[in-house]
Amino acid sequence: SQQGEEDPQALSIQEGENATMNCSYKTSINNLQWYRQNSGRGLVHLILIRSNEREKHSGRLRVTLDTSKKSSSLLITASRAADTASYFCATGPGGGYNKLIFGAGTRLAVHP
Amino acid sequence: GAGVSQTPSNKVTEKGKYVELRCDPISGHTALYWYRQSLGQGPEFLIYFQGTGAADDSGLPNDRFFAVRPEGSVSTLKIQRTERGDSAVYLCASSLDDGSSRQYFGPGTRLTVT
Repeated sequence: SQQGEEDPQALSIQEGENATMNCSYKTSINNLQWYRQNSGRGLVHLILIRSNEREKHSGRLRVTLDTSKKSSSLLITASRAADTASYFCATGPGGGYNKLIFGAGTRLAVHP
Repeated sequence: GAGVSQTPSNKVTEKGKYVELRCDPISGHTALYWYRQSLGQGPEFLIYFQGTGAADDSGLPNDRFFAVRPEGSVSTLKIQRTERGDSAVYLCASSLDDGSSRQYFGPGTRLTVT
C-alpha cells in the first residue's frame, strides 16, 4: 500500500512558470524525500528533508515540511522543458525502518 | 564512480516461467532495497537487505518471490511461476547506512509476462 498522495496528479505549465506539488502522508516519519523519474525508469534523488527541518533549498528547488499537518510541498522555480517528468515524494518512517514509502506521483509537463 | 546497475534492462517471459533479476549496488553500500513499480503508480517496497540478511521482506507479495544477497553485494530477485500480474518495472536501490540516508536507484528491469 502507498503512504501518501501527491496533489495534483498532473500539472501542465509553460516554461518560466513555477510548479508546486504537494504530498500528504499518514504515519510518523524520520525523513521525507523527493525523487524525479523520467520515462518510467530509474529515480533520481532531488532532496531530503528531515522531520526536524521545516524548509530546505537546492538550486531551483524548495521543499517545505509540516509534520503537524503531515504534508510537504515541492516548488520548482523558473521551470524548464527539461523538468518534464514524474515527481514522487517518499517517506522514511521512524522506528528503525528503512523502506521508503512512495506516493503515486505528480506528472509535470513543462511546455516551451 | 559507477552507480547501481540492473540486468537485464528488459525481460519478456511466458506465464509460468522462472526469472531472475540482478542488481549490482554501489560499492560499499551495505543496504540494498527492491521495489516494484506498476504503470502509473509509485514504487512499492518489496524487500530490504542489510549486509547479507533480509532485514525486512514484508513487501514480497507471495512465496513465488524470493531474493538473495549471498556475499552482501550483488542481489538477485527470483520469481517462480510468473503470472501476468507480475509485469512491472523492478527497481533496485542501495544506500550507505541504516535509516535516514538517501537511496540510489538503478535504471530498473522492465518485466513483461505474456
